[in-house]
Amino acid sequence: DVKVTQSSRYLVKRTGEKVFLECVQDMDHENMFWYRQDPGLGLRLIYFSYDVKMKEKGDIPEGYSVSREKKERFSLILESASTNQTSMYLCASNDPPLGDQPQHFGDGTRLSIL
Amino acid sequence: EDQVTQSPEALRLQEGESSSLNCSYTVSGLRGLFWYRQDPGKGPEFLFTLYSAGEEKEKERLKATLTKKESFLHITAPKPEDSATYLCAVNTNAGKSTFGDGTTLTVKP
Repeated sequence: DVKVTQSSRYLVKRTGEKVFLECVQDMDHENMFWYRQDPGLGLRLIYFSYDVKMKEKGDIPEGYSVSREKKERFSLILESASTNQTSMYLCASNDPPLGDQPQHFGDGTRLSIL
Repeated sequence: EDQVTQSPEALRLQEGESSSLNCSYTVSGLRGLFWYRQDPGKGPEFLFTLYSAGEEKEKERLKATLTKKESFLHITAPKPEDSATYLCAVNTNAGKSTFGDGTTLTVKP
């Protein structure tokens, strides 16, 4: 079974801090994704990566950056955390081609920015 | 702009009372439609993929169907353990996924 592991289930940070969310997958998937999930807004794509060191902006990339130095690891970085970034963050992975395969999700990180 | 709308937002059923969840979509170039189940505090878990109109998939008490404009998730004789939020996602030829807001199903014993 595919396992996508997110490093923290709950995280509390202060405004202005630089925040790192880590995600590791164990199935050698090419594609990895970061979403945020908010009530009434569904899942929204922040960034995705289709290969090591490659990244593409999703629908809401402002205020975020990502890093993919190794195939199995995809990090989401909040450069200067703000209260409107309080949310549930979900990491996912799948194999190419993009669009054909289901995504496998981690259990999420619930991030609170105070 | 790609759009996915799920209805109803919430559905409460008695155990054994069959019903359907709807996912209607407007996208340019459908690549596939995916159904996921999400339990509280967990990430979405993949259920089905449908690729073309007329296709159907079944798993236990769940059956997913697809037309050119919508998909249905039929739940036959549900049990309390079927309680969850069900998400629909549409993938396009551009490789983009658009998710609906989900339907939260509660099945009372």
